[in-house]
Amino acid sequence: QDQLVQSGAEVKKPGASVKVSCKVFGYNLNELSMHWVRQAPGKGLEWMGGLHREDGKTFYAQNFQGRVTMTEDTSTDTTYMELRSLRYDDTAVYFCATGGWMVTPSFDFWGQGTLVTVSS
Amino acid sequence: QSVLTQPPSASGTPGQRVTISCSGSTSSIGSNTVTWYQQFPGTAPKLLIYSNNQRPSGVPDRFSGSKSGTSASLAIGGLQSEDEADYYCATWDDSLKGLVFGGGTKLTVL
Repeated sequence: QDQLVQSGAEVKKPGASVKVSCKVFGYNLNELSMHWVRQAPGKGLEWMGGLHREDGKTFYAQNFQGRVTMTEDTSTDTTYMELRSLRYDDTAVYFCATGGWMVTPSFDFWGQGTLVTVSS
Repeated sequence: QSVLTQPPSASGTPGQRVTISCSGSTSSIGSNTVTWYQQFPGTAPKLLIYSNNQRPSGVPDRFSGSKSGTSASLAIGGLQSEDEADYYCATWDDSLKGLVFGGGTKLTVL
């Protein structure tokens, strides 16, 4: 069954780091362009970054430059998103997503979301 | 503040046609294709439209997208109660070198 399964909820203190995983079922990760999108409580969608598989280039949103790293382990078909120097306003649901990338990336498949709470 | 501008809310009665606008710039919508997503509370978004006006399989033809210049629109015909959700537009921005989303539009079916 084609799906993306993410790791469980996390609670972190300000200044800490969080690493969220996303395992792909039904596809080989090395055929997919993977992205991360987050949504703060009651707010809209915010793209964090994504890997363009065909040219191997990873793009990061300017808002997260220097704080986020996306990595992958193709042997386990798992992709990871690490966000560092967490702030209270990083409290959000984090989604992994994948799909086509012809001109604009489009996301056919989404993970279930991982709630990251930043609290002292 | 989002790079793409959507009205925060829209409404219509069952059977009506509703349109949701998405305004961008020459570096965003003016240069790239637009996608649209539907999201229900507590769930992941669902792809409705890609490449301005293409529907993934399974999306009813009541949903249609269009683009002109630096703006795009999502139209929902034959409005149904189950269409009540949040809708987001998105496109690549050549200046930012990243994907940008609109702020979202909450659609209410009266």
